[in-house]
Amino acid sequence: EPEVTQTPSHQVTQMGQEVILRCVPISNHLYFYWYRQILGQKVEFLVSFYNNEISEKSEIFDDQFSVERPDGSNFTLKIRSTKLEDSAMYFCASRGEVLANTEAFFGQGTRLTVV
Amino acid sequence: AQSVTQLGSHVSVSEGALVLLRCNYSSSVPPYLFWYVQYPNQGLQLLLKYTSAATLVKGINGFEAEFKKSETSFHLTKPSAHMSDAAEYFCAVITPSKDALNFGKGTSLLVTP
Repeated sequence: EPEVTQTPSHQVTQMGQEVILRCVPISNHLYFYWYRQILGQKVEFLVSFYNNEISEKSEIFDDQFSVERPDGSNFTLKIRSTKLEDSAMYFCASRGEVLANTEAFFGQGTRLTVV
Repeated sequence: AQSVTQLGSHVSVSEGALVLLRCNYSSSVPPYLFWYVQYPNQGLQLLLKYTSAATLVKGINGFEAEFKKSETSFHLTKPSAHMSDAAEYFCAVITPSKDALNFGKGTSLLVTP
C-alpha cells in the first residue's frame, strides 16, 4: 500500500540552527501539507502546497518556515533558525485531489527537539 | 471558521466494552468530518469520514460514527473494545472553501483487560 514517508523520525537540533524535515508523498499525489503537534496540544495546520507553490498557510507559518519540492519526489519543510517553541511532532500529508472530502494520507511524523 | 472539540483527553474502557469518543463541531457551512487514529510510533490513519452522504458512517476496525446536525456532533463508537484499539484518536473538520484539516486535541483511548 502506498504511504507517505518522513525522515528523520527524530531530529535534535540546537536553538538557532537550521533544520530540514523531509517527506516523500505518495507518488501520484499533487497536494502536499505540513502539520505540527506540540506535545499535549492539537495537530495544527502549517501549510499546503500545490503546483510548486504555497496554496494556504497558517499564522504559525512565518518567515522562519519555508517549503520546497526540490525534485519529483521530495517535499521539505525548512525552519531557518529554530526556537525552543518549534519543538513538536511534524507531520507531512498528501492528497490525490483537492476536494474537501478526499482523504489526506499522513506520514509517521518527525519529532523535532530544539535544545 | 470551522473547528472541532473533543471532550475527554483520556478515555479508559474495559476490553469488550462500548467505546464512545466524543466530537462536536462548529461550522457555518456544511462540514466534512473525519476521524483519524494514531497508534504508538505511527502516523495518522483515517478511520472514517462523513461527506454529506449517509449520516451513519462505518469505518475500519469496527468503528462507526454518526453525524447529528441538531447536536453538531460526530461521535465515534465501537460496540466492543479490543486491546489493539488503544491509541490516540483525532476528530477533524474541513469545509469546501478550505484546503486544511482542523483537528481536535485528540483523545487517548486506554483499553484494560
